[in-house]
Amino acid sequence: NAGVTQTPKFQVLKTGQSMTLQCAQDMNHNSMYWYRQDPGMGLRLIYYSASEGTTDKGEVPNGYNVSRLNKREFSLRLESAAPSQTSVYFCASSEAYISYNEQFFGPGTRLTVL
Amino acid sequence: DQQVKQNSPSLSVQEGRISILNCDYTNSMFDYFLWYKKYPAEGPTFLISISSIKDKNEDGRFTVFLNKSANHLSLHIVPSQPGDSAVYFCAASRLGGDSWGKLQFGAGTQVVVTP
Repeated sequence: NAGVTQTPKFQVLKTGQSMTLQCAQDMNHNSMYWYRQDPGMGLRLIYYSASEGTTDKGEVPNGYNVSRLNKREFSLRLESAAPSQTSVYFCASSEAYISYNEQFFGPGTRLTVL
Repeated sequence: DQQVKQNSPSLSVQEGRISILNCDYTNSMFDYFLWYKKYPAEGPTFLISISSIKDKNEDGRFTVFLNKSANHLSLHIVPSQPGDSAVYFCAASRLGGDSWGKLQFGAGTQVVVTP
């Protein structure tokens, strides 16, 4: 099992460019999440999908969109990148949308917006 | 407004000694707490958790203590090993309401275990 995979690992964008971060899990989990990690801030929830077919905003959704393509895949799109979106992005999944379900994280995507 | 705070950004400890990581939270509605460990260039991995009905949970070398009256929890690692060198994140959640399933993370504490 690969667990949670993310592509790309690194990306540099210019302000105004768009891109999609891909995430896939092979654990048959129902719930998936996108977080960003910034220095001194910990991880903050951007969007989540409690189950296939549903998506909801997290703590910091502005400037992002998501698509739950199927049970395995959950993508994060930046339509017009801004320097404030420079961050490390983590995708995670859990068996269900319940706090006591362990969340499994991918290795992260390091994004720089110039 | 960070509701989960880890006020020590770093901690250095000798191999074999105890590591104590602290975490404070401001939302007294939190009733489930987790610790995650993160190595460089990897995603966080779950370490241990505790619900508010307990004041202690132990798993091998790792013990989490919860003091609800002080809105405080701590992680003890005994004995510390070089492989424990990592960033440790504290997270908190409510098991109900519109926060169901959402985790609030602290900023993390970098632990360095020296020989």
